[in-house]
Amino acid sequence: DAGVTQSPTHLIKTRGQQVTLRCSPKSGHDTVSWYQQALGQGPQFIFQYYEEEERQRGNFPDRFSGHQFPNYSSELNVNALLLGDSALYLCASSLDSSGSGATQYFGPGTRLLVL
Amino acid sequence: QKEVEQDPGPLSVPEGAIVSLNCTYSNSAFQYFMWYRQYSRKGPELLMYTYSSGNKEDGRFTAQVDKSSKYISLFIRDSQPSDSATYLCAMSSIDVMDSSYKLIFGSGTRLLVRP
Repeated sequence: DAGVTQSPTHLIKTRGQQVTLRCSPKSGHDTVSWYQQALGQGPQFIFQYYEEEERQRGNFPDRFSGHQFPNYSSELNVNALLLGDSALYLCASSLDSSGSGATQYFGPGTRLLVL
Repeated sequence: QKEVEQDPGPLSVPEGAIVSLNCTYSNSAFQYFMWYRQYSRKGPELLMYTYSSGNKEDGRFTAQVDKSSKYISLFIRDSQPSDSATYLCAMSSIDVMDSSYKLIFGSGTRLLVRP
């Protein structure tokens, strides 16, 4: 059973650039959430996608956007990168219809460094 | 004040000790309580999931939730060096507008189990 996968594993960008991160959910899951984890902190919720729509959003600016595809995979896009965007970006998947959408399984993350 | 408070540690214990990890929270709406283990530079791994109050046991791990005190705990019996990691508590409640869940994390406690 394939778990949550993310690509790339590492990324280095410069300020002002744009980045796209990708996530494939755990087999059978239909909901994807994205989190940002700064060094030494717990993950912070960015947004959640279900049925190809953004369903809920955390306190992140519009520079952060996303997409979910019909096969449930998802992308996170960040525009106009700032130094403060350097973090581990985590994708989590869950099954909405199970009634336990709080049970989220995380991928290994993409480590983004903005110079 | 953060919604979820967690002592960052580090917590250093000898092999075989019983470890107690704790979180407090302020939002009485939380109904779902999770513990994740995160090894260095990896994604969080779901360890325990509890709905509402009570205890749950899984092998060497026991999770306790006391909603009246807004306090949750994770106990690790017979701790092993391989348990050395950061332990994150996470909580959630269902959003009545769209039936979604977002996880609110503590900042994590670093645990070191000495051989």
